Amino acid sequence: GAVVSQHPSRVICKSGTSVKIECRSLDFQATTMFWYRQFPKQSLMLMATSNEGSKATYEQGVEKDKFLINHASLTLSTLTVTSAHPEDSSFYICSARRGHRETQYFGPGTRLLVL
Amino acid sequence: GESVGLHLPTLSVQEGDNSIINCAYSNSASDYFIWYKQESGKGPQFIIDIRSNMDKRQGQRVTVLLNKTVKHLSLQIAATQPGDSAVYFCAENSDFGNEKLTFGTGTRLTIIP
Repeated sequence: GAVVSQHPSRVICKSGTSVKIECRSLDFQATTMFWYRQFPKQSLMLMATSNEGSKATYEQGVEKDKFLINHASLTLSTLTVTSAHPEDSSFYICSARRGHRETQYFGPGTRLLVL
Repeated sequence: GESVGLHLPTLSVQEGDNSIINCAYSNSASDYFIWYKQESGKGPQFIIDIRSNMDKRQGQRVTVLLNKTVKHLSLQIAATQPGDSAVYFCAENSDFGNEKLTFGTGTRLTIIP
């Protein structure tokens, strides 16, 4: 299989601060990584698509200046929630795939709570 | 707009019985479908996938059926076990350039001991 990790698994921060979440593909190189957000009892909503070495493509309604995505290597993508507010509290999940038309494998998720 | 949805939000099945989870999709151009299992507080776990050139695919205790005529997808789990209790999502490949996945609303499967 393919293993994707996320760090941290859980984070609590104060309103107005920034939080960085890491997504790593542990046993494969991921040309593309995806970031999703999931609110309680809801489905996954895609936030952005990130290709290694290029700018992320954001979904409609997702603020690119608020959710900064960096995909600097084939095994690491980061999501930074800038100036976090309580409404940003959610479960953030990344996924990664080896290449074109390959299956997406998901990380374990990061639960963010903004106080 | 295009969407992927599930017929039933919850499903309870006696341990040892078979379960069937259904999914309807609306984008007739989609050619790749995946079932994921998500346990509480965890990320989705890949179960099985199917491409549109097939109508059935089997894995270990799971079978996915695809009916392109009525745009319907189902996941069959045989001899259910307590560990099968989770939320199951179908996902559809909805953008062939970026190959983004569109997720259905999810079905919570509860296995009754």
